[in-house]
Amino acid sequence: QKEVEQDPGPLSVPEGAIVSLNCTYSNSAFQYFMWYRQYSRKGPELLMYTYSSGNKEDGRFTAQVDKSSKYISLFIRDSQPSDSATYLCAMSAGTNAGKSTFGDGTTLTVKP
Amino acid sequence: EAEVAQSPRYKITEKSQAVAFWCDPISGHATLYWYRQILGQGPELLVQFQDESVVDDSQLPKDRFSAERLKGVDSTLKIQPAELGDSAMYLCASRRGQGSYEQYFGPGTRLTVT
Repeated sequence: QKEVEQDPGPLSVPEGAIVSLNCTYSNSAFQYFMWYRQYSRKGPELLMYTYSSGNKEDGRFTAQVDKSSKYISLFIRDSQPSDSATYLCAMSAGTNAGKSTFGDGTTLTVKP
Repeated sequence: EAEVAQSPRYKITEKSQAVAFWCDPISGHATLYWYRQILGQGPELLVQFQDESVVDDSQLPKDRFSAERLKGVDSTLKIQPAELGDSAMYLCASRRGQGSYEQYFGPGTRLTVT
């Protein structure tokens, strides 16, 4: 079993929908939780990161971490066609980003 | 806006041949990472440099892979000989250093081994 499991998708939603992307994990040492967006034929870009449990909001994006359930989510409000991409969750026990364990990604398509 | 540069963007090579990838990190970034991303999976770390020193190469298949960052700036990842299972995206990322969490990825090199 993988340390990080991500809802595989693919996910297709109409423009304006609220999107929920989710990951579960098994390693209780994880303290840093990240969401990356990866467009086709591009490298990942960091969208948000949070430390420990709680919520973090940035514009249309909200990241939630529930360490008691070992569950993290990314919500996208008012989704746009430009949000169409693969979303990767990643987690690490420390601040060395290179030690992150990534999920396998969820591909999102937002239809106009 | 400064970006991580990688070349080539695409590479097709035959099994048993040698192949090399180049990465130029964002200026001033002391930490450089090489990742491998198999289609449909997340990136996996191959090697991490701090300046010119390797700090983690535990996941690098050292029998065929090598990496260097001679002057602590740009870096080269080499595979010799290439195997069919090496087909993947090879990503380079850089980070400013201690106290800075965010890493910036380059566009990657898509390798196909035939």
